[in-house]
Amino acid sequence: DIQMTQSPSSVSASVGDRVTITCRASQGISSWLAWYQQKPGKAPKLLIYTASSLQSGVPSRFSGSGSGTDFTLTISSLQPEDFATYYCQQVNSFPLTFGGGTEVEIK
Amino acid sequence: QVQLVQSGAEVKKPGASVKVSCKASDYTFTSYGVTWVRQAPGQGLEWMGWINTVNGNTDYAQKFQGRVTMTTDTSTNTAYLELRSLRSDDTAVYYCARARFDCTSRGCLLYFFDYWGQGTLVTVSS
Repeated sequence: DIQMTQSPSSVSASVGDRVTITCRASQGISSWLAWYQQKPGKAPKLLIYTASSLQSGVPSRFSGSGSGTDFTLTISSLQPEDFATYYCQQVNSFPLTFGGGTEVEIK
Repeated sequence: QVQLVQSGAEVKKPGASVKVSCKASDYTFTSYGVTWVRQAPGQGLEWMGWINTVNGNTDYAQKFQGRVTMTTDTSTNTAYLELRSLRSDDTAVYYCARARFDCTSRGCLLYFFDYWGQGTLVTVSS
């Protein structure tokens, strides 16, 4: 199975900050990576697919980059509604696997 | 708008089975797969498997092989997840999600999960 390692596991940030979350795959997955946002008690929401494609309706302050084994999710200017947990997911091969999550907290 | 509506919360005893439904609306059901993801309390997301709504083929995570069955009823646009021999560590919120997929002679690729159900809490307790 492909292991997905996210860092950091949590980050404290202020409104307006630039936030970067990294995700590393245990083997190469090309660009077969998605990012999701989850708020407490809610289902995950798709933000980014194929590493850098922005899902329709998602604000442009979210961006994704990377290929192979190293990937990044960037929030260019953190907004109050962005405080949540973020997960990466590899879709290169079964079983599909998620990273452990990164909680973005209010500083 | 696209919706996936899941059945309500369940409480089961260890060893029992549970069947969760996921009714899809406002899109062509057979144009997307359905996948299932669970989340134990305070934990991360765990992929369980998916079903190809065109031909009913499934891929299950090895962890659930032998205990899980995913099915669909295309006449009602509903997907089902059945999990048997429940244990306390199966206590979780179970989500269905719509999966964009593509299949070739080399296999199927799931690109992403773009719409999710609201989740169904399954509690396993004696």
